[in-house]
Amino acid sequence: DGGITQSPKYLFRKEGQNVTLSCEQNLNHDAMYWYRQDPGQGLRLIYYSQIVNDFQKGDIAEGYSVSREKKESFPLTVTSAQKNPTAFYLCASSTGQGAGVSEQFFGPGTRLTVL
Amino acid sequence: AQSVTQLDSQVPVFEEAPVELRCNYSSSVSVYLFWYVQYPNQGLQLLLKYLSGSTLVESINGFEAEFNKSQTSFHLRKPSVHISDTAEYFCAVSDTGRRALTFGSGTRLQVQP
Repeated sequence: DGGITQSPKYLFRKEGQNVTLSCEQNLNHDAMYWYRQDPGQGLRLIYYSQIVNDFQKGDIAEGYSVSREKKESFPLTVTSAQKNPTAFYLCASSTGQGAGVSEQFFGPGTRLTVL
Repeated sequence: AQSVTQLDSQVPVFEEAPVELRCNYSSSVSVYLFWYVQYPNQGLQLLLKYLSGSTLVESINGFEAEFNKSQTSFHLRKPSVHISDTAEYFCAVSDTGRRALTFGSGTRLQVQP
């Protein structure tokens, strides 16, 4: 089955630690995205990538880093510089074709909790 | 920058009653519009989308939304809700500039028996 997988489902981090969230897709999509979800705030864009080896900052990139070495993978690292990392993180992908985004497909999410 | 406003954070409704979830957006150019649904602790699922053509779009489970360009709105409606429709609903607009979606803050639909 084609889709997007995220791991782990739950992640606990101690203050001062970096952690990496995994996102893999087998939809052959060019574009991938990371969003952060907090209660009452909807989804906010952290980083996005339209093609391999290229990515751009979204609205709340501070304290996060990404890489896009393979088309199917877009891992997100939450660094110790992120002051309030506890949130639900969602990865998405789209075909990347056309002038606008015709649809984004989402993974099941990773819930990160800082202890 | 584009923005999306969902005016109601929560909408309680009784089963079999009609419901409308409101969405307004700001944009000076043509847009694509979306409604996504999220069940607890899950990712988002596409409910319906407007890309072009007929301004009234429908989903397979009875929801519909109408694109109103003059009012910059894309309200979601269902004539009769079920308990299983209880979820959070997000309106989104496609940002043709940076080719990502901008989301509203979400509306929690609570269907009561």
